[in-house]
Amino acid sequence: NAGVTQTPKFQVLKTGQSMTLQCAQDMNHEYMSWYRQDPGMGLRLIHYSVGAGITDQGEVPNGYNVSRSTTEDFPLRLLSAAPSQTSVYFCASSPSGFVGNQPQHFGDGTRLSIL
Amino acid sequence: AQKVTQAQTEISVVEKEDVTLDCVYETRDTTYYLFWYKQPPSGELVFLIRRNSFDEQNEISGRYSWNFQKSTSSFNFTITASQVVDSAVYFCALSDPGGYGGSQGNLIFGKGTKLSVKP
Repeated sequence: NAGVTQTPKFQVLKTGQSMTLQCAQDMNHEYMSWYRQDPGMGLRLIHYSVGAGITDQGEVPNGYNVSRSTTEDFPLRLLSAAPSQTSVYFCASSPSGFVGNQPQHFGDGTRLSIL
Repeated sequence: AQKVTQAQTEISVVEKEDVTLDCVYETRDTTYYLFWYKQPPSGELVFLIRRNSFDEQNEISGRYSWNFQKSTSSFNFTITASQVVDSAVYFCALSDPGGYGGSQGNLIFGKGTKLSVKP
């Protein structure tokens, strides 16, 4: 009964490095999304996917890349890390992209620091 | 524009006090959903409640209660007899009507209210 699993939990990068934040869910959910949480800003949507092979941008997509090759996994890639990407990242999933039928299940977050 | 405003940045109360967290929203949709999430110091997000725009009945769950008023576009959250374990950041969120690519699965969050309950 793992739910939404994010790895790693913590990561420190140097400016310019690339990395992938992993997100996996075992609930056979069609809908997955990535949010970032910054102090005093709430959570803001980065990218989302309504099913395997389908992704779209959210409010703050610049500097991030996603793909959805399987229903279970939705990795978030930082192409060239910048200090402005220092944040806590949350992955979320729902059975479908039709909101209101169910709450979003969130992972425990990845705390990322860019030096 | 879709927007959620949580005007209270931080609230501090003493245990057993009642406390209300305010949430005001703006939406162009007639059908929408409102949510509250709790983020304890450990950092995870915990779903508390979902309310659709057609159901204005207040809801009570133990010490928690929610007051939804469409006339004032508010969805306030009250904790009765607060406890130290209620200390957390609380987020109000609104369903996105599809501003980003048409999906309604996304949420628009307020900036959160940090509640500190002191013994």
